[in-house]
Amino acid sequence: QKEVEQDPGPLSVPEGAIVSLNCTYSNSAFQYFMWYRQYSRKGPELLMYTYSSGNKEDGRFTAQVDKSSKYISLFIRDSQPSDSATYLCAMKRGNTPLVFGKGTRLSVIA
Amino acid sequence: ETGVTQSPTHLIKTRGQQVTLRCSSQSGHNTVSWYQQALGQGPQFIFQYYREEENGRGNFPPRFSGLQFPNYSSELNVNALELDDSALYLCASSLDPGTGGVEQYFGPGTRLTVT
Repeated sequence: QKEVEQDPGPLSVPEGAIVSLNCTYSNSAFQYFMWYRQYSRKGPELLMYTYSSGNKEDGRFTAQVDKSSKYISLFIRDSQPSDSATYLCAMKRGNTPLVFGKGTRLSVIA
Repeated sequence: ETGVTQSPTHLIKTRGQQVTLRCSSQSGHNTVSWYQQALGQGPQFIFQYYREEENGRGNFPPRFSGLQFPNYSSELNVNALELDDSALYLCASSLDPGTGGVEQYFGPGTRLTVT
């Protein structure tokens, strides 16, 4: 079992839809939970991160962490064609390196 | 504030050759991590450098080696290239691993093709 599992998609939604992206993980020691956005042929861009459980909101983006279920989510409200990209979840504990999921490819259709 | 830069953008090498990839960290960051991202996969950690010393290594063979310079820029060297080394190589910079190193900022990557 991989430490971090993420459905690779692809996921296709109409403009304006609410998008839900998810990851599960097996290592209960993870403390930090990140979401990165990666456009084609570019490096990943940090969207937001959460420490431990709870929610965090930044504009149209909301990150949720449920440590009891080992499940994290990223919600995108009012999705735009410019949101079309691959979304990577990543996790770490303490000083250890980031462990990434495979990424979910999202297309928002105008 | 200058972001993370990497060079070259693309590279084509032959199996058995050696390659050096370069990374300049974001202003104020003293830690550099290198990742390999195969097509359709998430980035995989290769190693990290903090103040010119290797500070952690992933599951990669010794033919992957690195260096960090006093200005915190870094190099990734790969010897005896194999076809499976074809990937996007990403460098990420961050603050001290022990304090503010949670946020890692990635460069655009170097796409290496081994034929």
